[in-house]
Amino acid sequence: KQEVTQIPAALSVPEGENLVLNCSFTDSAIYNLQWFRQDPGKGLTSLLLIQSSQREQTSGRLNASLDKSSGRSTLYIAASQPGDSATYLCAVPTSGTYKYIFGTGTRLKVLA
Amino acid sequence: NAGVTQTPKFQVLKTGQSMTLQCAQDMNHEYMSWYRQDPGMGLRLIHYSVGAGITDQGEVPNGYNVSRSTTEDFPLRLLSAAPSQTSVYFCAIGSSIFTDTQYFGPGTRLTVL
Repeated sequence: KQEVTQIPAALSVPEGENLVLNCSFTDSAIYNLQWFRQDPGKGLTSLLLIQSSQREQTSGRLNASLDKSSGRSTLYIAASQPGDSATYLCAVPTSGTYKYIFGTGTRLKVLA
Repeated sequence: NAGVTQTPKFQVLKTGQSMTLQCAQDMNHEYMSWYRQDPGMGLRLIHYSVGAGITDQGEVPNGYNVSRSTTEDFPLRLLSAAPSQTSVYFCAIGSSIFTDTQYFGPGTRLTVL
């Protein structure tokens, strides 16, 4: 059974700091991995989608990497800003099914 | 949240009442799904559909019913509401769960008294 874990559960950093969020999964037979952002009281917004054949994806100050063999993905945020404060979630489709499994998220607070 | 609408935004029910949460899309995506989000539990899949006329159960299907008669709509029915169903419900769509981005609706906050 696929399990997705995100550590840390919460993170508080000063503005301008570079930071890394972690996502681990137990079944390496994944099709892709997706990172989302969720603002309080809002829905999820897709940030980056990494296909299983890719090692990383970049969008602006965000860079996501994928290491299937070790069951890990990281989301790197460069030069963090207060507007980056949100909960970040990773998710993977379960192998052989149409089911998406989510991690419990990392709640990020960037202090001005 | 473009292309995915959910109604209502908020709802309060009494135990035993029934209701339908609506999800509609205008992106012509085949894959639609319902999640519930609870503190400390993350998002859990309730039901999903890979096309009109095809539905299947997710992790936590008990107490919920779905149907998919059109590509555009995927309603979630609570047959007899229970306090344990108090949650935030999200609808998500995608052209393919295996290759493409999933798009989420804004959510419905449900309280069952």
